[in-house]
Amino acid sequence: RKEVEQDPGPFNVPEGATVAFNCTYSNSASQSFFWYRQDCRKEPKLLMSVYSSGNEDGRFTAQLNRASQYISLLIRDSKLSDSATYLCVVNKEAGTALIFGKGTTLSVSS
Amino acid sequence: NAGVTQTPKFRVLKTGQSMTLLCAQDMNHEYMYWYRQDPGMGLRLIHYSVGEGTTAKGEVPDGYNVSRLKKQNFLLGLESAAPSQTSVYFCASRRQKSGQFFGPGTRLTVL
Repeated sequence: RKEVEQDPGPFNVPEGATVAFNCTYSNSASQSFFWYRQDCRKEPKLLMSVYSSGNEDGRFTAQLNRASQYISLLIRDSKLSDSATYLCVVNKEAGTALIFGKGTTLSVSS
Repeated sequence: NAGVTQTPKFRVLKTGQSMTLLCAQDMNHEYMYWYRQDPGMGLRLIHYSVGEGTTAKGEVPDGYNVSRLKKQNFLLGLESAAPSQTSVYFCASRRQKSGQFFGPGTRLTVL
């Protein structure tokens, strides 16, 4: 099993749609979880951290399920500007190395 | 604050040449990282550092060396460049338990 696995997509949705991305991780000792977005040929940018109780930031909601080793990102009311690749990031065991999934591509159309 | 900066932004090397990529951060972050990103492969961790004077291997360390002589700088060296090292290299830094901040990347081509 890969350390961090994501559905590559692409997800093609109309403006206003709700879309959800999933990510699974292999190491049960992982403690830190994040979602990043990356625009074409740009550096990744931190979207949000993921907490055990779940957290929300505007139209974005992140969830963590430690038992299933599963992280999700929900985007409500999609905007054209949400088009990007979304990367799931997990720390490697209890250390500080952060491992990235390959990303899920989202395309929002009008 | 400039955040994380990388030098150079672009570089073309011939096989066998050497070079050093410089990463600098002005956020007083303890941890620094070097990644490479190739089409279809995602970001792969090369080396990282948890503090001044310390380094550790990541997923793909072969062919690279690093040094962290000052807290704000993290250097990535290629001693003998190979075409397989053609990639986009990203540096990142962070505090403990926080997310990473990335530099704009260095686009390296090895002919």
